[in-house]
Amino acid sequence: RKEVEQDPGPFNVPEGATVAFNCTYSNSASQSFFWYRQDCRKEPKLLMSVYSSGNEDGRFTAQLNRASQYISLLIRDSKLSDSATYLCVVNPLSGNTPLVFGKGTRLSVIA
Amino acid sequence: ETGVTQSPTHLIKTRGQQVTLRCSSQSGHNTVSWYQQALGQGPQFIFQYYREEENGRGNFPPRFSGLQFPNYSSELNVNALELDDSALYLCASSQDSRQPQHFGDGTRLSIL
Repeated sequence: RKEVEQDPGPFNVPEGATVAFNCTYSNSASQSFFWYRQDCRKEPKLLMSVYSSGNEDGRFTAQLNRASQYISLLIRDSKLSDSATYLCVVNPLSGNTPLVFGKGTRLSVIA
Repeated sequence: ETGVTQSPTHLIKTRGQQVTLRCSSQSGHNTVSWYQQALGQGPQFIFQYYREEENGRGNFPPRFSGLQFPNYSSELNVNALELDDSALYLCASSQDSRQPQHFGDGTRLSIL
């Protein structure tokens, strides 16, 4: 089983739609979780950290389910500018690997 | 606040050559990590430096080596380049290994 797994997509959604991405991780001792956004041929940029209580930042909501080792990202009222690849990132805080990235889920928001 | 900067932005090399990539960390950040991102993949961890010492290493061969300097800038060196080394090389800095990392623009390396 891969350390961090994501549905690669692509997700093609119309403007205004709500879209959800899921991610699972294998290391139950993992402590920190993040969503990064990466535009084509650009560097990853931190979108938001994910907390056990869930957290919201405008149209974006992140959830963590430790029992199921599952992280989600919900985007409401999608904008064209949301088109990007969304990377699920886990910090296992064990071994020598600070951050483990999923392959990313590609989102295309269509007018 | 100065962000993470990397140089060069693009580089073309041939098999067997050596390359050095450079990274200046964000102000106040003493931890630098290097990642390799192949097309269609997520970034893969190469190694991390904390206060000039290697603080962790991913599954990369010894021909991938690095340095961190007293000002926390860093270098990634790759010897005996192979075609599969073609990728985007990303440098990220953070205040410590548990904090979110902030990435530079990356160096796109092409091996011919």
